[in-house]
Amino acid sequence: GAGVSQSPSNKVTEKGKDVELRCDPISGHTALYWYRQSLGQGLEFLIYFQGNSAPDKSGLPSDRFSAERTGGSVSTLTIQRTQQEDSAVYLCASSLSEYEQYFGPGTRLTVT
Amino acid sequence: GQQLNQSPQSMFIQEGEDVSMNCTSSSIFNTWLWYKQDPGEGPVLLIALYKAGELTSNGRLTAQFGITRKDSFLNISASIPSDVGIYFCAGQPGTASKLTFGTGTRLQVTL
Repeated sequence: GAGVSQSPSNKVTEKGKDVELRCDPISGHTALYWYRQSLGQGLEFLIYFQGNSAPDKSGLPSDRFSAERTGGSVSTLTIQRTQQEDSAVYLCASSLSEYEQYFGPGTRLTVT
Repeated sequence: GQQLNQSPQSMFIQEGEDVSMNCTSSSIFNTWLWYKQDPGEGPVLLIALYKAGELTSNGRLTAQFGITRKDSFLNISASIPSDVGIYFCAGQPGTASKLTFGTGTRLQVTL
């Protein structure tokens, strides 16, 4: 079946602009997670959705970052007023069971 | 944020050799997961461990959930060139919760 998909695959933006990253989870998966992977770094948790609500937003690095999920499916991560330190690969994962998370291919964001 | 200590950081091995890597944490986790990431791709789940002391295999891969719940190891037997990549451990404290990832082990296999 179809896995987690993310778009765009690559995004180059100028410092100060807003960007939106999209995640389509595996059909039927109720849990959705966003992570960030900076160059040479491990994966850092950003936010977790169960259905449309976000019980854990503890990883969002600043108030410039926000995310929403609609219809218990698609999620959008928005970064306002992008900074160069926001450059990273943003990964989305979804889960049906309570444990196993399946990742998408990521969106590589470059802020110039 | 917190990262788990994973070792070795990188390794070069010859095709056919066995590989071992481990992951340690200062915190207890109730689930350990092992992922492999190829360049330009997202992490792919290899093995999931749910119980302290559990030993689980997936083909040439074997992983164990440490009895203290603070560590895990992954073994790859008879390595092949397609095993090249970065391997990450990840711990999960409870159900439906965020993963804390290890620092990664970069594996390179020579013929």
